[in-house]
Amino acid sequence: EAGVTQFPSHSVIEKGQTVTLRCDPISGHDNLYWYRRVMGKEIKFLLHFVKESKQDESGMPNNRFLAERTGGTYSTLKVQPAELEDSGVYFCASSPLITTDTQYFGPGTRLTVL
Amino acid sequence: EDQVTQSPEALRLQEGESSSLNCSYTVSGLRGLFWYRQDPGKGPEFLFTLYSAGEEKEKERLKATLTKKESFLHITAPKPEDSATYLCAVPAGGTSYGKLTFGQGTILTVHP
Repeated sequence: EAGVTQFPSHSVIEKGQTVTLRCDPISGHDNLYWYRRVMGKEIKFLLHFVKESKQDESGMPNNRFLAERTGGTYSTLKVQPAELEDSGVYFCASSPLITTDTQYFGPGTRLTVL
Repeated sequence: EDQVTQSPEALRLQEGESSSLNCSYTVSGLRGLFWYRQDPGKGPEFLFTLYSAGEEKEKERLKATLTKKESFLHITAPKPEDSATYLCAVPAGGTSYGKLTFGQGTILTVHP
């Protein structure tokens, strides 16, 4: 069974540009989460989808971040326009709906904003 | 607000030298505590879930325990391949499947 995949693995952009990160969860997992780790800090929650609906977006830092999950499958996280403080590693995780609580993480996307 | 604190921040061991990592938590209505292992350049890899005080789980050289205030990850006779960052996390208070609050992690280095 394939795990959670993320694309790209690395992205380097300039301040003011737009970047879109993609996450493909484990097949059949209705829960999808986005997290971020900024250098020197702990991993922090951004938002949670249940199928295509946003269950909890309390961790989204501001309106420059837009997450979508069309059709309840893969998800995208767009940052527009990117700022220096958006640099970090963005992780996606998925879990089955309710039946188990274990979240399985992808390898992350390292975003560098110059 | 849920809080998770891990100690020490870094731990250096000689191969075979057993030790423990600590994870202290503050959360209302704990519904589980998770331990993950993270290797450089990779995402967190699930190790254990503990649900109630007194519970213990083992996997190879690792044993996780849980009390009402903290969890320990005991490493017995570690090998260099156990070197990694170990993370603990708790789901949002009162839930078992919501957002996770992570500690900063303990960076474990095991020297041959």
